[in-house]
Amino acid sequence: AQSVTQLDSQVPVFEEAPVELRCNYSSSVSVYLFWYVQYPNQGLQLLLKYLSGSTLVKGINGFEAEFNKSQTSFHLRKPSVHISDTAEYFCAVTLFNDYKLSFGAGTTVTVRA
Amino acid sequence: ETGVTQSPTHLIKTRGQQVTLRCSSQSGHNTVSWYQQALGQGPQFIFQYYREEENGRGNFPPRFSGLQFPNYSSELNVNALELDDSALYLCASSLTSGGYNEQFFGPGTRLTVL
Repeated sequence: AQSVTQLDSQVPVFEEAPVELRCNYSSSVSVYLFWYVQYPNQGLQLLLKYLSGSTLVKGINGFEAEFNKSQTSFHLRKPSVHISDTAEYFCAVTLFNDYKLSFGAGTTVTVRA
Repeated sequence: ETGVTQSPTHLIKTRGQQVTLRCSSQSGHNTVSWYQQALGQGPQFIFQYYREEENGRGNFPPRFSGLQFPNYSSELNVNALELDDSALYLCASSLTSGGYNEQFFGPGTRLTVL
């Protein structure tokens, strides 16, 4: 079975600074990888996904992530954050022939002025 | 285009009671998945329905059951509620089953069991 580990539970960052959220997964077969964002009192919104092809994936709101198969990682980055990026971020994985998403525990990003 | 909607927004029940949560999928989507998100944790997969049939199930007991209707809306039923069932319940719809499909999430139903 697949699993996801988000290495940082909380990440405080100043406005306009870069941020990186780390995600590692475990699976013996090919996977699809996702990053979701959850704003307070809302559902999850997809930021980006890796299905195949280029290992650098660009998403919405200036976010990007890099798939590293040898390190089984899918880290999320943004070069310059805004106050509005304050939210909970979840990394998720599904197996190539599966249907369910397995989520990490989440990383809380707090952006300060 | 209407997104995924869930009702009710909040619900308070007592131990032993039964609850039904509802989800309307996005237009054109035939697959609905349900997740339980306990406080401070990531969502946990409960089950998925594809064209009115249960397509797969996570590690949840049989007292968690569901239905999908011909219009692809869905219900989650939980019997014999326990305190640990307190959580945010998220519904997600997708164009079809298959992990590569983007899942569109509703805002969730916050269930509190006293």
